[in-house]
Amino acid sequence: GAVVSQHPSRVICKSGTSVKIECRSLDFQATTMFWYRQFPKQSLMLMATSNEGSKATYEQGVEKDKFLINHASLTLSTLTVTSAHPEDSSFYICSAPGPSMDTQYFGPGTRLTVL
Amino acid sequence: GENVEQHPSTLSVQEGDSAVIKCTYSDSASNYFPWYKQELGKGPQLIIDIRSNVGEKKDQRIAVTLNKTAKHFSLHITETQPEDSAVYFCAASSNQAGTALIFGKGTTLSVSS
Repeated sequence: GAVVSQHPSRVICKSGTSVKIECRSLDFQATTMFWYRQFPKQSLMLMATSNEGSKATYEQGVEKDKFLINHASLTLSTLTVTSAHPEDSSFYICSAPGPSMDTQYFGPGTRLTVL
Repeated sequence: GENVEQHPSTLSVQEGDSAVIKCTYSDSASNYFPWYKQELGKGPQLIIDIRSNVGEKKDQRIAVTLNKTAKHFSLHITETQPEDSAVYFCAASSNQAGTALIFGKGTTLSVSS
């Protein structure tokens, strides 16, 4: 099946710094990728849709200037959390539609802790 | 937009029993319904999915049923095993390229031996 990787798996940073999370489709191309955020014991909440070669589409309530998304190639999307604060601490997960376009494959997630 | 409700939020069964998780959706345009299993600290893994032109799909101990008229779909796990313990999420989407999944709130399944 299609494989999606994320890097890093865990990151701890100080308040006010920026953190970049990478999402890669390893064996297929993805013109679209999705970024989700998951707080403890909660469901996955869609943050934004990343589109290769164009601007990302953000969900209501998600600050586009704080969560910068870059989808520069058909296999890589990056999420940068700028000026991170403790309330940004969460589990960030990306996904990409596989070759059948509706089946989505998820990365292993990135645990962000902001001190 | 789409809204997915999932019940129950927690489910405890004895090993060997069956487990059923139910979801309802609101958008009649949705036609793709996957189920994901998530273990602690890991990303969701697709376990089974169903499209609106099918009423039931089975894969070994796992089955999914869909009632498009009533807008609900269910996950059935038979002969549960301790390793089935995890959080299960249902989701819905409109099966178009570039459409995100909308998730239910999840069900924590505990299988005791």
